[in-house]
Amino acid sequence: GQQVMQIPQYQHVQEGEDFTTYCNSSTTLSNIQWYKQRPGGHPVFLIQLVKSGEVKKQKRLTFQFGEAKKNSSLHITATQTTDVGTYFCAVLDPGNQFYFGTGTSLTVIP
Amino acid sequence: EPEVTQTPSHQVTQMGQEVILRCVPISNHLYFYWYRQILGQKVEFLVSFYNNEISEKSEIFDDQFSVERPDGSNFTLKIRSTKLEDSAMYFCASITRLDGYTFGSGTRLTVV
Repeated sequence: GQQVMQIPQYQHVQEGEDFTTYCNSSTTLSNIQWYKQRPGGHPVFLIQLVKSGEVKKQKRLTFQFGEAKKNSSLHITATQTTDVGTYFCAVLDPGNQFYFGTGTSLTVIP
Repeated sequence: EPEVTQTPSHQVTQMGQEVILRCVPISNHLYFYWYRQILGQKVEFLVSFYNNEISEKSEIFDDQFSVERPDGSNFTLKIRSTKLEDSAMYFCASITRLDGYTFGSGTRLTVV
């Protein structure tokens, strides 16, 4: 299956600070998806990126797809306690299913 | 908002026993998936199912695993002889096309 690396594995931030997680692949990706999983919950789809250099925003969340389509980032501005959870990227395998990255666990300290 | 429903939410079973995990995907979705997540680890692909047959499976999905769509609504994952290392959260997901998966809330399987 497709291999993607996510960094960092863990991130603790003070409420109000920014947060970024990165997803890197050694191969060119057709698209990439981002999911959020709250503690004890299930993955919830956030967004899909398809185009090279694409940037999409959802309120305080900014998603970016690299120009070479080998990496992606999720940036949260001014974190809130509701942002707590694990953020996964998922990339499409040639067999047409998504393989998930290792995830970044975000802790927001009030 | 349509949901993927999974039952039971928690299953405890003895090693060597068979378990069946059930899922009701969203009614107009065509592609169905099982993923698992060992506690604290990433979400791992098990199997995809389309047009009443397996379209892709991972190396985790060995002969102990099987999937069925016995009727028009249910989608099941069977583990024939459970092992301790099968303990995990099992998520069902469905999709209409190549878009974001809708995941069920999962079944926590504990093998003792």
